[in-house]
Amino acid sequence: AQSVTQPDIHITVSEGASLELRCNYSYGATPYLFWYVQSPGQGLQLLLKYFSGDTLVQGIKGFEAEFKRSQSSFNLRKPSVHWSDAAEYFCAVGAPPGGYQKVTFGTGTKLQVIP
Amino acid sequence: DAGVTQSPTHLIKTRGQQVTLRCSPKSGHDTVSWYQQALGQGPQFIFQYYEEEERQRGNFPDRFSGHQFPNYSSELNVNALLLGDSALYLCASSPQDRGINGYTFGSGTRLTVV
Repeated sequence: AQSVTQPDIHITVSEGASLELRCNYSYGATPYLFWYVQSPGQGLQLLLKYFSGDTLVQGIKGFEAEFKRSQSSFNLRKPSVHWSDAAEYFCAVGAPPGGYQKVTFGTGTKLQVIP
Repeated sequence: DAGVTQSPTHLIKTRGQQVTLRCSPKSGHDTVSWYQQALGQGPQFIFQYYEEEERQRGNFPDRFSGHQFPNYSSELNVNALLLGDSALYLCASSPQDRGINGYTFGSGTRLTVV
């Protein structure tokens, strides 16, 4: 069964500081990995995704993530955080194309940005 | 191009009642998935519809049922509501033939059971 672990429930960073959100996954084959962001009371917006190829993927809003197979990790990074980045971030793993598209989410990391 | 539309946005129901939530997928998407997001939790997969059939289901009781219409829109029905069913219900659509490119999510329906 596929699963995702986000070990940090809550993270606080200063505006302008760098950010790294951790994600570890469990999947029996090549995973399809995603990061989503959710603002309060809203649905989820896709930040970036990894299917294959270059292990460093670029997303929207200046985010990037690096896939490390040896560590079963897919950590999200941003070099300089803006106050508008305060939100909840979810890592997710999905099945390969051609099969069913169930996506399993982690429990989320809530990001607080302080001035 | 409209994204995923969910209705209603908020709903209050009494324990034991039944509720129907609605979802219109993004244009060009034919697969609809439903997720339940309890407060402070990540979304939990309920089920997925494609070609008007439920093709995958998460760990939810039979009180949760759904339907997909020929125009790809979908409904989520919950019978015999429990207090624990209070959550944000998210609909996500995706195109089947291009595999996973990530879901497009609606803004959700906030269900409160009292």
